[in-house]
Amino acid sequence: DAKTTQPPSMDCAEGRAANLPCNHSTISGNEYVYWYRQIHSQGPQYIIHGLKNNETNEMASLIITEDRKSSTLILPHATLRDTAVYYCIRLTMYSGGGADGLTFGKGTHLIIQP
Amino acid sequence: DSGVTQTPKHLITATGQRVTLRCSPRSGDLSVYWYQQSLDQGLQFLIQYYNGEERAKGNILERFSAQQFPDLHSELNLSSLELGDSALYFCASSAPGRQRDTQYFGPGTRLTVL
Repeated sequence: DAKTTQPPSMDCAEGRAANLPCNHSTISGNEYVYWYRQIHSQGPQYIIHGLKNNETNEMASLIITEDRKSSTLILPHATLRDTAVYYCIRLTMYSGGGADGLTFGKGTHLIIQP
Repeated sequence: DSGVTQTPKHLITATGQRVTLRCSPRSGDLSVYWYQQSLDQGLQFLIQYYNGEERAKGNILERFSAQQFPDLHSELNLSSLELGDSALYFCASSAPGRQRDTQYFGPGTRLTVL
């Protein structure tokens, strides 16, 4: 049970912002939202994560709703190399540090169109 | 390049055989995670080691075992191999407190059982 819901596929034009939604309506207070992507059969690549606040890094922005029931990953200027399967994952952190293994769902296959 | 290395990249073997996959974590990372990705099951967490000790188990078969050595590298042993064990096997590593235990994945080992 991946415990998150994502659309199976999305298209986006090259150069435009790609907005990938994720529903995690049953998320607990100590669960983080993580985003990974997998390009073809390469190892999953970490993108970004957050708990309550919106986050931004060099790859993407993560917008989490105030009730934490959903989030959106934003790739501001999509390129062809961003074509990949994007996974939204809930992850519980241990109180003393550390975390469990990731539970991957089916993710969203994002296709960037030239 | 995530800094996690896995060997070999490809492995072809026969049913009933035993193989060992190797993973070297990023420098300073104490946790190692193993994942299996097959066409029908997707990405599944198998097992986690932290500083040489088993910390969490996922959907790991009894025919599979792992260990983490004092130098922190890890090996995943797969025995009595079946056709259904053909998959990509990924290793990930993380460090407690470093970016909230974010897991970084290696390039994977593709196992083909004939």
